Amino acid sequence: AQSVAQPEDQVNVAEGNPLTVKCTYSVSGNPYLFWYVQYPNRGLQFLLKYITGDNLVKGSYGFEAEFNKSQTSFHLKKPSALVSDSALYFCAVRDMSRNSGYSTLTFGKGTMLLVSP
Amino acid sequence: DAGVIQSPRHEVTEMGQEVTLRCKPISGHNSLFWYRQTMMRGLELLIYFNNNVPIDDSGMPEDRFSAKMPNASFSTLKIQPSEPRDSAVYFCASTPGLPPGELFFGEGSRLTVL
Repeated sequence: AQSVAQPEDQVNVAEGNPLTVKCTYSVSGNPYLFWYVQYPNRGLQFLLKYITGDNLVKGSYGFEAEFNKSQTSFHLKKPSALVSDSALYFCAVRDMSRNSGYSTLTFGKGTMLLVSP
Repeated sequence: DAGVIQSPRHEVTEMGQEVTLRCKPISGHNSLFWYRQTMMRGLELLIYFNNNVPIDDSGMPEDRFSAKMPNASFSTLKIQPSEPRDSAVYFCASTPGLPPGELFFGEGSRLTVL
């Protein structure tokens, strides 16, 4: 079974400060990891993904995420937050082990990011 | 690229009425997913199709819910009869099906059952 934990319901940060949204995962095989963002009254939008290779992944809107296999984490980061980054962020994992068959994405519960001016 | 298209965007109906939500996936994508989002339960996978065939419907809440995918470009999610607890935002998503398999979501259908 695969699972994702986002331990913070909400993260508050001042504009211009760095932000981190935490995510840990559990899979039996190798993970494919994703971050999505949801703005009010909109669908989820893909931000970035980790497949293999470099542990630091860069994505849309200046976001990046760091894959840490030993800590089974995939935290989302941005060096300088913008008010417009305020949204709901979802981490997701897919187990790509050989026997996973039609494995689906498992989403975390989401973390609300609030960036104050 | 038009993206995943869902209709209606908003639906208000009375308890007991039939509700049909529609989805057009991205052309060329062979997997389609229906999700439900509520404040209490977050994002829940209801059912997904691969090459128009339902693969896993274990997330469908009960027999009142049914989903079909008659062809590669169209899917429906039907609730009959609807109940107030079905009020939620329903999302459709599609993926090419090849690894790593990120999903592309529609804008959602907000359902309110009075």
